[in-house]
Amino acid sequence: AQSVAQPEDQVNVAEGNPLTVKCTYSVSGNPYLFWYVQYPNRGLQFLLKYITGDNLVKGSYGFEAEFNKSQTSFHLKKPSALVSDSALYFCAVRDIEDTGRRALTFGSGTRLQVQP
Amino acid sequence: ETGVTQTPRHLVMGMTNKKSLKCEQHLGHNAMYWYKQSAKKPLELMFVYSLEERVENNSVPSRFSPECPNSSHLFLHLHTLQPEDSALYLCASSQDIAERPATNEKLFFGSGTQLSVL
Repeated sequence: AQSVAQPEDQVNVAEGNPLTVKCTYSVSGNPYLFWYVQYPNRGLQFLLKYITGDNLVKGSYGFEAEFNKSQTSFHLKKPSALVSDSALYFCAVRDIEDTGRRALTFGSGTRLQVQP
Repeated sequence: ETGVTQTPRHLVMGMTNKKSLKCEQHLGHNAMYWYKQSAKKPLELMFVYSLEERVENNSVPSRFSPECPNSSHLFLHLHTLQPEDSALYLCASSQDIAERPATNEKLFFGSGTQLSVL
């Protein structure tokens, strides 16, 4: 089984400050991990992914995420937030060894609000 | 744009109506998906098609009936829905969906159909 938890419904941050959006996952084997972003009235857009290799992955728009296997976390980060980063962010996981469950499992989303 | 188009953008229907949601992708992908998005709930996978064959069906009520006539088109037929079915229905596509995930695996989403059931 695979699951994702995003413990915060909303994160508020001032423009220019660093931001973190939290995600923890649960899989039986090893994970593929993803972040997607949804702007108002749009579908989800791919932001970044962790497959193997470096634990710190860089993605679009200056975002990065750190894979921590011991804490089963994949938090999304950005050093300096922009007002335009305000959106809904989804974490997703796929268990590499679970061949019976091919599609991604998503979390419930975290709304990021960046104040000017 | 993402290359995945959904119509209609908004739909209001009564519980006895029959309607269909349409999704079309212009990316040459082989896999297509229906997801349900409700506020403050995890994005819920409904159906997955690979090369026009259904490969996953996540215990979705029979009042939702998918159809995939070819790899570019996906439909969701709706019949005798309930008010709790009101949600944003998202279509997505990907290059493939194999038993072992590919390193280039990525989903492309449409903008969704906002469904209200009265």
